[in-house]
Amino acid sequence: ETGVTQSPTHLIKTRGQQVTLRCSSQSGHNTVSWYQQALGQGPQFIFQYYREEENGRGNFPPRFSGLQFPNYSSELNVNALELDDSALYLCASSQGSGETQYFGPGTRLLVL
Amino acid sequence: QKEVEQNSGPLSVPEGAIASLNCTYSDRGSQSFFWYRQYSGKSPELIMFIYSNGDKEDGRFTAQLNKASQYVSLLIRDSQPSDSATYLCAVGDAGGTSYGKLTFGQGTILTVHP
Repeated sequence: ETGVTQSPTHLIKTRGQQVTLRCSSQSGHNTVSWYQQALGQGPQFIFQYYREEENGRGNFPPRFSGLQFPNYSSELNVNALELDDSALYLCASSQGSGETQYFGPGTRLLVL
Repeated sequence: QKEVEQNSGPLSVPEGAIASLNCTYSDRGSQSFFWYRQYSGKSPELIMFIYSNGDKEDGRFTAQLNKASQYVSLLIRDSQPSDSATYLCAVGDAGGTSYGKLTFGQGTILTVHP
C-alpha cells in the first residue's frame, strides 16, 4: 500500500460527457502526476502538479485539465469524452517534482 | 520523441530460474530509471530505482544500468510464481528539467511456471 488513494474505482460514461477523477497523495508528498494507461500499453504521462501549479504536460489535448488543492490532493477533469478515453487513469504522488513516484490504485473509465 | 523499448514478451521461466528483463531508452541525458511491477487489473508497484551505472541489488532483484549503451535491465533470481506480472521500465526526465515526467515502455509479461 502506497498511501495514495483514488476515487472512484470504476466509472462508466457516454461519449460527450464530462468526468472528474480524484486523487489523494501520500502523506508528506507535494506532487501529483497523472497518467493514462490503455489496455496492453505502458502508462502515458498526462500532466504533473507541484505545489498547486501545473508543472509539465504530456501530449494530451486541452480537454484534459486538472487541479491541485492546498492539501496536495488533485483532480483530473476530462471534457467531451471520446471512446478512446477508455483507460485506466493513474495518479502518482512524490515528495517533489523529480522524485520517485508511487501510484494509487487507479480509476478505470469506460466510455460508451 | 523520447522512447523506451522493452524486450518483447511474453517471457516464461521455470520456478527457481533467473528472469532477465531488458529495456533501452533513446534520451542519452536521462538520469533516473525505474522498474515497476503490475499485476493484472492492478496499478504499477515500484520495485527498484537506479541512477548510477552498475548494479543495484535488493533481495532477489538486481537492476543494472549502462548509460553508455542506454540500457537498463532487471534480473529476478529464484523466480517464484508470485513474480508473474507485467514489468514496466520507466525513465525519468533528463537533468535540467523542472519536473519528473516518467516515460514508460510497453511492458514485458513474465510468467513463472511451477
